[in-house]
Amino acid sequence: AQKITQTQPGMFVQEKEAVTLDCTYDTSDQSYGLFWYKQPSSGEMIFLIYQGSYDEQNATEGRYSLNFQKARKSANLVISASQLGDSAMYFCAMRRPISSGSARQLTFGSGTQLTVLP
Amino acid sequence: SAVISQKPSRDICQRGTSLTIQCQVDSQVTMMFWYRQQPGQSLTLIATANQGSEATYESGFVIDKFPISRPNLTFSTLTVSNMSPEDSSIYLCSVSGRAKNIQYFGAGTRLSVL
Repeated sequence: AQKITQTQPGMFVQEKEAVTLDCTYDTSDQSYGLFWYKQPSSGEMIFLIYQGSYDEQNATEGRYSLNFQKARKSANLVISASQLGDSAMYFCAMRRPISSGSARQLTFGSGTQLTVLP
Repeated sequence: SAVISQKPSRDICQRGTSLTIQCQVDSQVTMMFWYRQQPGQSLTLIATANQGSEATYESGFVIDKFPISRPNLTFSTLTVSNMSPEDSSIYLCSVSGRAKNIQYFGAGTRLSVL
């Protein structure tokens, strides 16, 4: 079974500072995908960044980067130059491998509530 | 990225009634997914909707309670039947984009059952 663990229920960061949100995962599969989503108070789920298990380089998307450490099974999200609009819930998720017969469904972590302070 | 329209965005319903949530995608997709997010919780997959076949439900979710339709490759509905206050949640539909199978979500339906 796939499992995603986010150990930080809440995080605070000062505006313009960088922040790292932790995510560890458990899987016995060799091929998988890792995602980060942002959920503002409005409830929508906004895709931020994706990392494939075979990608050799860490993914980056603008101010977001993913610190992927495969041996440690961790996929931490780094947000640089935090903005007030970054305040939201952040979810780490894993895509089940296609070979499992459950192609493309996502398993989510419990989330981290990020608050950016002015 | 896929553009997903979900309706209604929110609703307040009475116990015992049913609500149908619609999900429209701007491109053809093979699979559509329905998730539930209970208050203060993470997302849980309800079912996978495939065009031309019955939906595949996850453990703990049954078709009588959450019937799903998938009449074509761009549209799906989820019905929450015989609602109780425990059904108060955000319901989200999701599809896989073509690039890297990235999953995109609709804006969600915030349901409150009185």
